[in-house]
Amino acid sequence: LAKTTQPISMDSYEGQEVNITCSHNNIATNDYITWYQQFPSQGPRFIIQGYKTKVTNEVASLFIPADRKSSTLSLPRVSLSDTAVYYCLVGTEGSARQLTFGSGTQLTVLP
Amino acid sequence: DTEVTQTPKHLVMGMTNKKSLKCEQHMGHRAMYWYKQKAKKPPELMFVYSYEKLSINESVPSRFSPECPNSSLLNLHLHALQPEDSALYLCASHQTPGLNYEQYFGPGTRLTVT
Repeated sequence: LAKTTQPISMDSYEGQEVNITCSHNNIATNDYITWYQQFPSQGPRFIIQGYKTKVTNEVASLFIPADRKSSTLSLPRVSLSDTAVYYCLVGTEGSARQLTFGSGTQLTVLP
Repeated sequence: DTEVTQTPKHLVMGMTNKKSLKCEQHMGHRAMYWYKQKAKKPPELMFVYSYEKLSINESVPSRFSPECPNSSLLNLHLHALQPEDSALYLCASHQTPGLNYEQYFGPGTRLTVT
């Protein structure tokens, strides 16, 4: 399984850009990188997915270096409502690889 | 409709009870999943259904029995559970098995086994 490593927790202030890095040294050629956000007592919510270089949507950006051994989720101008746990997943759909959540990063946004 | 619904929201059951969790989606998704999540832990995959057939069983004890009666519905039948089975049970769906799209998660069922 493609094991992922993330910081356990991060603090930020409102309006700042937050970057959360995920390490996945044994990523396979077909693996995609996916990030989810989860609030307490709710199901995870998809944020972004990518394979290489940079992906951007209305919520976040995902930066993936050429060796793909890590990825960085970038949240621009966070607000208090972005306080949540962020999970990085690496794998390929159709196998259990993509469906293994890492330990997650608790992001706390302070006023 | 981009929603996965789960019922009930909360369930308390004794160790000798039989109960079922229900999950429904009407997005035409053909992959559906059950996850178990303990407090302050990440979700753990339990079962995957692809085109209404069980494709992945992550060595889940037989006291958990999944069922996929049709492409919109997923059940999890519970029998003789243990207190350590208390957790949030999440259902998710995905558009097309084998292709990399996002999973849509339901809000979960909070299960307490007494």
